[in-house]
Order: sequence, then C-alpha cells, then structure tokens
Amino acid sequence: AQSVAQPEDQVNVAEGNPLTVKCTYSVSGNPYLFWYVQYPNRGLQFLLKYITGDNLVKGSYGFEAEFNKSQTSFHLKKPSALVSDSALYFCAVLSSNDYKLSFGAGTTVTVRA
Amino acid sequence: DSGVTQTPKHLITATGQRVTLRCSPRSGDLSVYWYQQSLDQGLQFLIQYYNGEERAKGNILERFSAQQFPDLHSELNLSSLELGDSALYFCASSTTVEQFFGPGTRLTVL
Repeated sequence: AQSVAQPEDQVNVAEGNPLTVKCTYSVSGNPYLFWYVQYPNRGLQFLLKYITGDNLVKGSYGFEAEFNKSQTSFHLKKPSALVSDSALYFCAVLSSNDYKLSFGAGTTVTVRA
Repeated sequence: DSGVTQTPKHLITATGQRVTLRCSPRSGDLSVYWYQQSLDQGLQFLIQYYNGEERAKGNILERFSAQQFPDLHSELNLSSLELGDSALYFCASSTTVEQFFGPGTRLTVL
C-alpha cells in the first residue's frame, strides 16, 4: 500500500521569500506524484505532476517540485511567495500497480504581507 | 473551474436518513472518483468507476454505494447516516493520471 507524509502541518513565510512544502512517499511500483491546492470552501486544484522524465517539474502559478527517487521525496517550491498562495496544500501519490490516489494530511501555508 | 460539477453544494439531514450526491465529470472523462474529506480522517479515497464499471475501492463503508450511469455521471448514495458521516464529499474525474476535482458537497448530519 502506498502512503504520503507531509511532515509539517503549517508553513509560514513572508511575502517575497522562498516557499517549500515537504512531501515524502512510499509506494510499490513506479510512483506518479501530484500536488494539489485547496482554498477555503473550494475543491482541490491540480498544481503539477511527476510521471517520468525530468526530476524538476514546473506547474501552475509559478510552483515547481523536485522528484528525488533516493530520498523518496517530492517537495513543492516557489521562489517568491505571494499572499495569495496562502492555502492548504496536498501531496498525493498514485501507484502504477493499482492506480489508487493516496493523499498526505495536508500542509497549511500562510504567507504574511 | 475544473469542469467537474457536483450537486448539491450543501446538504443537511438527520441521523438514519439516506442521501444521494451527484457528480458530472469533465467532458470526455471516463473515470470518476469519490473522496471524503473530514477533519479527523483527512482526504480518503472511497471508490472509482470507469465507463460504468467499478474499478477500485478504497475506504468505503458498506452503508455507502455508488454507481456511474451510461451518460457517465455518477451518484454516491449514503444511507443510515451517522453523525460521523458529516464531511466534504468530492468527486473527481480523469482521462489520464491527473484527477480534476469538483467543488464538493458539504454534508452535515444532525
């Protein structure tokens, strides 16, 4: 069975500073990795995915994520955070064996002006 | 806007009752997924349908059932409701691996 860990419940950064949201995963088979963002009272919005190929993946709204196979990590990054990036971020993994998507517990990001 | 629609947005009902949540996937998507989001359990995968057939099951209670119709819309039926069933229920659809989520139905069981 696959699992995802987001070790930080909350991340607080100042606007303009770099933002990192951590994610590690465990999966049998090849991992498909995703980041989603959830704004209050809204559904999840897809940010980016890693399927294969380049370890650095670029996504929506200036976000990127780096796949590290040896550390089984897929950290989300943004070079310069905006106040509007404040939201709940979910990392998810899908196994190529059964195609079930498992989510981490989520990390609340607060960007202060 | 993901293109996935869910109705109703909010549902308030009493314990022991039965409700039906509805989902219309993005145009062309054959796969539909249901998830439950609650404060204590987080985001949990319930069930997946592909072109009308059940494909995968997650942590779905026996009191819950789902189906996908020929026009590809899906319904999630929740019966004998308990207080603990209060949650946000999301539907998602996909063509390839990434899933696109609807806005959710907030269920409150009183």
